[in-house]
Amino acid sequence: SQQGEEDPQALSIQEGENATMNCSYKTSINNLQWYRQNSGRGLVHLILIRSNEREKHSGRLRVTLDTSKKSSSLLITASRAADTASYFCATGDNSGNTPLVFGKGTRLSVIA
Amino acid sequence: DSGVTQTPKHLITATGQRVTLRCSPRSGDLSVYWYQQSLDQGLQFLIQYYNGEERAKGNILERFSAQQFPDLHSELNLSSLELGDSALYFCASSPIGDRDYEQYFGPGTRLTVT
Repeated sequence: SQQGEEDPQALSIQEGENATMNCSYKTSINNLQWYRQNSGRGLVHLILIRSNEREKHSGRLRVTLDTSKKSSSLLITASRAADTASYFCATGDNSGNTPLVFGKGTRLSVIA
Repeated sequence: DSGVTQTPKHLITATGQRVTLRCSPRSGDLSVYWYQQSLDQGLQFLIQYYNGEERAKGNILERFSAQQFPDLHSELNLSSLELGDSALYFCASSPIGDRDYEQYFGPGTRLTVT
């Protein structure tokens, strides 16, 4: 399965600290996306990184992709209480028209 | 607000019943995706439609079916409901059916089967 697996499953940090979440996957991918989900709500797209990219930034978010290790990381700098949510990686493979496959997520708690 | 709407927000029904969940994609989006999210299974892809036609199928049970209408809204039909079908059901849309594009998620329908 190409399903991404996030690590850790849960993370608790103090406000102002950085949060790092990792995603590993098994097959060759075309792109990798990160989404955020506040409790019980719909997912919100954060960032998409293509297989030929190594790093991408968006505001306080930094995503890296290492295709040789089949892994990605999401870094949230200077975290805020409002960043408390679950974060999912989703992979789109390059072997046809298969849809995105989501991991089970990392639950981030930012304590004020 | 993603621009994707889902109705109803909550649904409580009994085992053996049938329900219909409705989704309206963002204006202009041709592709609709359905997902099921439960605590133990995470977010599971069910099915995708693109411009009225089925594009991809995931872990969708035979008791479940979906369709996309000419106005691009979609419905997910769940029949012979079981307790294990209790979950959040999300609809998402994207401009085209390509996985290279981000998906815009609706607020979800929470289904409780009693």
